[in-house]
This record gives sequence, structure tokens and C-alpha cells, in this order.
Amino acid sequence: AIQMTQSPSFLSASVGDRVTINCRASEGIRSNLGWYRQKPGKAPELLIYAASTLHSGVPSRFSGSGSGADFTLTISSLQPEDFATYYCLQDYDYPWTFGQGTKVEVK
Amino acid sequence: QVQLQESGPGLVKPSETLSLTCSVSGDSISGYYWGWIRQPPGRSLEWVGYMFYIGRTSYHPSLESRVTMSLDTSKNQFSLRLSSVTAADTAVYYCARLRPHWGYWYFDLWGRGTLVSVSS
Repeated sequence: AIQMTQSPSFLSASVGDRVTINCRASEGIRSNLGWYRQKPGKAPELLIYAASTLHSGVPSRFSGSGSGADFTLTISSLQPEDFATYYCLQDYDYPWTFGQGTKVEVK
Repeated sequence: QVQLQESGPGLVKPSETLSLTCSVSGDSISGYYWGWIRQPPGRSLEWVGYMFYIGRTSYHPSLESRVTMSLDTSKNQFSLRLSSVTAADTAVYYCARLRPHWGYWYFDLWGRGTLVSVSS
């Protein structure tokens, strides 16, 4: 199975900060990567698919980049609702696999 | 507005079968792919599998021998059965709608999730 490794695992930030989260695949996955935000006690929400395509209704402060094995999620200006855990998911090969998560906490 | 809602027992005994249903409101389940994802307490997410409304399925290899997914178009529901459960199957189980897009896949709608504990 393809392993997805996120960094950092924890991140402390303030409202208005620019935040970057990385996801590395154990082998190339083209652009078959999505990003999900999970607020505490809630279901995950889709942010980005195909590495860089913003899902409908998702604020433009979110952006994704990368291809092959290295990917990045950027939040240009962190908002209060963005304190959450973020997961990447590869859909290139079965079994689809998630990263271990990056928790964004209040600084 | 399309909504998904999981339902089923919150407690299952070891070696028994976990059965969950996802009820879809606001749209027909026909024409779509539907999936299950689970999350053990305090841990990351794990893809369980998906199925297309006409029956095509794909399951996680580690669960394939124990998993069955099905749909009931008359009730607009889809279901997950996981047999011979152990404590390792304790998790919040999410149902979700899966969309294909030019070779990419993504889960665009999720249920709220339901916690299933495996314990005697």
C-alpha cells in the first residue's frame, strides 16, 4: 500500500497566519491527491481534489499544489474555523490511503 | 440539499457482524458511487471501500474477506456489513458520496458518522 506522510503532525498558528501543510507519498501518485479538513467531533470536509482543484464552495484562501510524490496545502490567511485536523488522501492506487493528519492549533 | 445519515448498533460483540446503513435524502442514490470510511478513536482515517449503484465494488484488501456492501434503491439506502469483528474494528464509521472526475476520485458529501464499539 502507498504510504502517505504528512508534516508537520502539529502546527501552532494565529488567525491571519499563512499556513503550509505537506504530504509525501511513498511512490508517485501523479496528481491523485485530495485534502480534507476535519473539525473536532465532525465529519471530514472536502477542500481540494486532483491536487489543486478547489471544491465548489470552498473559500479561496485554500490552495493545493504538487504532483508525483510531494504535495502542499496552503491556507493564505487562517480563520477561526480552520483550527482543525487536515488529512491528505491518495486515490491513485488501491487501497486508497490517508495521511496521519496535521492538527492546526491556536498559538 | 443532499444529506447522509448512518444508523446501526453502537455496540457489537467480538466475532459477530457489524451492520450499518446509510440513508440518503435529497437525491437518488442511483447513478452515484457510495463509500465507507472509518476512524478509530484518536487516529487517522481508513478507507473501507465503495460501490457503484449497479453493483461494482472495491474493498480495502485487509478487509475484503469480511466486508460486504450493498444498496437498496427502493429505500435510497446503502449498507455495510463487516463480519467476525474484533476490538480493532472499533471506530467511527462514515458513509460518503464518491465522485469520479477525469481519473480522479473524491468524497464530496459525508454523513456525520456513527461510533461502533466492539466489546463483550
